Amino acid sequence: KNQVEQSPQSLIILEGKNCTLQCNYTVSPFSNLRWYKQDTGRGPVSLTIMTFSENTKSNGRYTATLDADTKQSSLHITASQLSDSASYICVVSAKDSNYQLIWGAGTKLIIKP
Amino acid sequence: NAGVTQTPKFQVLKTGQSMTLQCAQDMNHNSMYWYRQDPGMGLRLIYYSASEGTTDKGEVPNGYNVSRLNKREFSLRLESAAPSQTSVYFCASSEQGVDTQYFGPGTRLTVL
Repeated sequence: KNQVEQSPQSLIILEGKNCTLQCNYTVSPFSNLRWYKQDTGRGPVSLTIMTFSENTKSNGRYTATLDADTKQSSLHITASQLSDSASYICVVSAKDSNYQLIWGAGTKLIIKP
Repeated sequence: NAGVTQTPKFQVLKTGQSMTLQCAQDMNHNSMYWYRQDPGMGLRLIYYSASEGTTDKGEVPNGYNVSRLNKREFSLRLESAAPSQTSVYFCASSEQGVDTQYFGPGTRLTVL
């Protein structure tokens, strides 16, 4: 069964610190992987998209990595800011499914001043 | 550009009542989606519309119906609401297929 699992479920860090969020997936055949950011009370917003051949992609202070062999991805946030407080969701699409994405449950990140 | 808009933002229903959630996008996207989000779970696809005039079931379609009114608008109807349908509902759109999806602000629905 196609699944996406994220860890940790929640994380609290101090402003200015770095953190790394993890995503493991069992989706096959793999097409691409996205990270979304969801602020409280809002819809998710795309941060990055990675295909099979990409192993690192950056978007400002966010850096996503992908290891297609071990089916793992991580999202690293550098020099965290209060505005980074949100849920971060890993989403994987399969090659044989044109319209359906497999969504992880998300990691809830809280940045404390 | 408003992006994806949803109405209403909040709704409380009694068991057995019906209602329609409205969604519109102004990005000229072909594909539109309805999801529900429950605590501790990933978003689950209810229905999607690959293009104007077509609709298909997603992962959890039971108890829901949809209408793709035109290219801009995609509505979700609950014919007889049940407490298990208490959730946050998101509408999304994409150019097509599994392109990046753009989400509306959500509708928070409570069924008593």
